[in-house]
Amino acid sequence: DAKTTQPNSMESNEEEPVHLPCNHSTISGTDYIHWYRQLPSQGPEYVIHGLTSNVNNRMASLAIAEDRKSSTLILHRATLRDAAVYYCILRVYDNNNDMRFGAGTRLTVKP
Amino acid sequence: EAQVTQNPRYLITVTGKKLTVTCSQNMNHEYMSWYRQDPGLGLRQIYYSMNVEVTDKGDVPEGYKVSRKEKRNFPLILESPSPNQTSLYFCASSLSLTGDNSPLHFGNGTRLTVT
Repeated sequence: DAKTTQPNSMESNEEEPVHLPCNHSTISGTDYIHWYRQLPSQGPEYVIHGLTSNVNNRMASLAIAEDRKSSTLILHRATLRDAAVYYCILRVYDNNNDMRFGAGTRLTVKP
Repeated sequence: EAQVTQNPRYLITVTGKKLTVTCSQNMNHEYMSWYRQDPGLGLRQIYYSMNVEVTDKGDVPEGYKVSRKEKRNFPLILESPSPNQTSLYFCASSLSLTGDNSPLHFGNGTRLTVT
């Protein structure tokens, strides 16, 4: 199974951008890169996903390396409400059930 | 509002007393799944369902049962709960099993304690 590697924790200051890295060196051509986050006492929440091109939505941006072996979730202006555990996951196109949630990155946002 | 609803949010029970955790989604999703979350182990899949009457085991199915008689409901059944099933449980759904337009929608979780 394709796996991802993320730092255990990161800190950011409020109102500053945050770059959350993810390595997925064994990614295959049909694997989509998904990001979820889990706020305290809640279920995981979808953030963004992409295949090859960079993606933007109202929550974040996803920058995907040209060789697709790494990606970065970008929060443009961190708020206190962005403090959460962020998961980088690979989803196989023809078998979306094949997902593995690792430990994720715990983001702390300081006021 | 599109959502996945789990009940109850909290449950304390004793060993061996059968229980059911309900999960319902209002998005007409085909795919539904149950996970448990334990400290240091992340989210692990228990069972999943591709559609009505189609269910399959995930990574940790022992001690659990599921059913999918209707598209919207996917209950998790513990016939004889044991203390090692004390955990935080999440139900999730997505539009389909294939394709890239299938983000998972999660419920808010059920914290189960078995004494």
